[in-house]
Amino acid sequence: GQNIDQPTEMTATEGAIVQINCTYQTSGFNGLFWYQQHAGEAPTFLSYNVLDGLEEKGRFSSFLSRSKGYSYLLLKELQMKDSASYLCAVNSNYQLIWGAGTKLIIKP
Amino acid sequence: EAGVVQSPRYKIIEKKQPVAFWCNPISGHNTLYWYLQNLGQGPELLIRYENEEAVDDSQLPKDRFSAERLKGVDSTLKIQPAELGDSAVYLCASSLGPPGSGNTIYFGEGSWLTVV
Repeated sequence: GQNIDQPTEMTATEGAIVQINCTYQTSGFNGLFWYQQHAGEAPTFLSYNVLDGLEEKGRFSSFLSRSKGYSYLLLKELQMKDSASYLCAVNSNYQLIWGAGTKLIIKP
Repeated sequence: EAGVVQSPRYKIIEKKQPVAFWCNPISGHNTLYWYLQNLGQGPELLIRYENEEAVDDSQLPKDRFSAERLKGVDSTLKIQPAELGDSAVYLCASSLGPPGSGNTIYFGEGSWLTVV
């Protein structure tokens, strides 16, 4: 079967760093997406990884290890507006398999 | 540039009634998706179009759900009759091409359906 695992919920402090993990077991792999979704809003694109390694984009970075079936999203200098759900999605044989999302709570 | 536009934003209907959702994708995007999302869950694909052709509708409950994408642009998703379990957010999304090419998927704000 195809499976994506993410922690259900995480809590972090404003100004700190948090790492959200995503592990996947899929029949194929053509890339991995991270999306941010604020409550009551649509998911918005954050990053796309197809090769191993770290992709940095401002305060957000995403890492991929294809051999381990593992990715993480790293958020630095956390702000209150980063409180949202973070969705991991794997492109497997031209179908997107979505995780359930990680709800990130930022405390002052 | 306008994003993906959906309507209505919110809809409350009684069970057994019909409901329809409309989506206008980003201009030039050939691929259109309809997703269902329940609270605390990731999006679940209902149907994917490449231009006007439905290329993946394996998860669409065809006994009550139908969709069309006339002229390969706008799309409608219909539920008839609606059941209590259909209460969810219906997300429309679009991308330049199929997901296999790493094309970014852009979502609309969703249509929130409550069936009472």
